[in-house]
Amino acid sequence: DIVMTQSPDSLAVSLGERATINCRSSQSVLYSSNNKNYLAWYQQKPGQPPQLLIYWASTRESGVPDRFSGSGSGTDFTLTISSLQAEDVAVYYCQQYYSAITFGQGTRLDIK
Amino acid sequence: EVQLLESGGGLLQPGGSLRLSCTASGFTFSSYALSWVRQAPGKGLEWVSTISGSGVSTSFADSVRGRFAISRDNSRNTVYLQMTSLRVEDTAIYFCAKDHYVLGTPYYFDSWGQGTLVTVSS
Repeated sequence: DIVMTQSPDSLAVSLGERATINCRSSQSVLYSSNNKNYLAWYQQKPGQPPQLLIYWASTRESGVPDRFSGSGSGTDFTLTISSLQAEDVAVYYCQQYYSAITFGQGTRLDIK
Repeated sequence: EVQLLESGGGLLQPGGSLRLSCTASGFTFSSYALSWVRQAPGKGLEWVSTISGSGVSTSFADSVRGRFAISRDNSRNTVYLQMTSLRVEDTAIYFCAKDHYVLGTPYYFDSWGQGTLVTVSS
């Protein structure tokens, strides 16, 4: 199985500041035939199901604010929130779909 | 608007069986794969199983293969998860999730239900 490891486990960022969450896969999730990274990001607020933010590592889902962006390739990926808003407090998960499905352990994001 | 509504959760003893249902609306049901993803209390997400839009192709996590079965009734817009030989470690909220594609190989999930809680305890 591909193991997904996120860092940090939790972070606190001031309102309006940048938040960065990292995700590393135990093997590459870049499929050479189509040059796509099989990596998605989700946001889960307390008491709610996850919500898709980003897929193919950097494609923003419809309706997701443009302060959310994804980057990276191969085994190292980043979710960036450019200017943290109060409603962004949540747990964030990365997920690979290159081989079956595995999720990272989650990163809890709070306001400093 | 896509809606997924899970039902069938409950409390049962180890070794028991349970069938979960997920009824969908707001999209062409047979055109998309559906998956089950679970979340143990206070823990992270774990993919359980996926079924293709036609129902022909299925896939399972190693932790449930041979114990769980997935099926769908496209005439009823419903997907099922039949769980047998349940273990304490199967305790979780079970989410139904719509895949972005029709295949039985899961990709990413663009809509989720609210989940149904399954508790396995003696």
